[in-house]
Amino acid sequence: EAQVTQNPRYLITVTGKKLTVTCSQNMNHEYMSWYRQDPGLGLRQIYYSMNVEVTDKGDVPEGYKVSRKEKRNFPLILESPSPNQTSLYFCASRGSQGLNGYTFGSGTRLTVV
Amino acid sequence: RKEVEQDPGPFNVPEGATVAFNCTYSNSASQSFFWYRQDCRKEPKLLMSVYSSGNEDGRFTAQLNRASQYISLLIRDSKLSDSATYLCVVAQAGSNYKLTFGKGTLLTVNP
Repeated sequence: EAQVTQNPRYLITVTGKKLTVTCSQNMNHEYMSWYRQDPGLGLRQIYYSMNVEVTDKGDVPEGYKVSRKEKRNFPLILESPSPNQTSLYFCASRGSQGLNGYTFGSGTRLTVV
Repeated sequence: RKEVEQDPGPFNVPEGATVAFNCTYSNSASQSFFWYRQDCRKEPKLLMSVYSSGNEDGRFTAQLNRASQYISLLIRDSKLSDSATYLCVVAQAGSNYKLTFGKGTLLTVNP
């Protein structure tokens, strides 16, 4: 089944403790992206990647890092999480052909206390 | 003007009603347009792409007016299962193919 898989689905952590949210897609997609969703603000792009070793900042990159060492994986790293990073996070991917929308993962609900 | 602006809603309609969602976008260079559906606490799922000529998929009809920078979604004969938040999404041209999301309109279809 074609899908984008994120882990974990839920995470509660403390301020300053480094964490990684994993994202993997099995569709051989070139483009991958991370979004966060907050009430009243909608979905905002954090980082995106156009292919292996090619990443760039989205609208709200502060406090986040990403890497794209393999085509299928695009982990999101919070080096020193803070409470304002409490949010619902989505990873998404799409192929480079055509003008298709993104396929989203099931989301990671992160709480930083 | 916000990049992508939707009716704030929420909409509460009876089963069988026709519902229209409207959306405007500010960037005239926008390349592609979509409607996504998001159920509570779930991921957004692509409902339909929006083509310049307009397109229909069963009970759903999408329209695009590039001159007015306006997108619409019409749901006919609404079902209980149509209850969700509907997101208007605009993609920019360029290497990012960045998606910009509207804040969404919540639809509740009542029995």
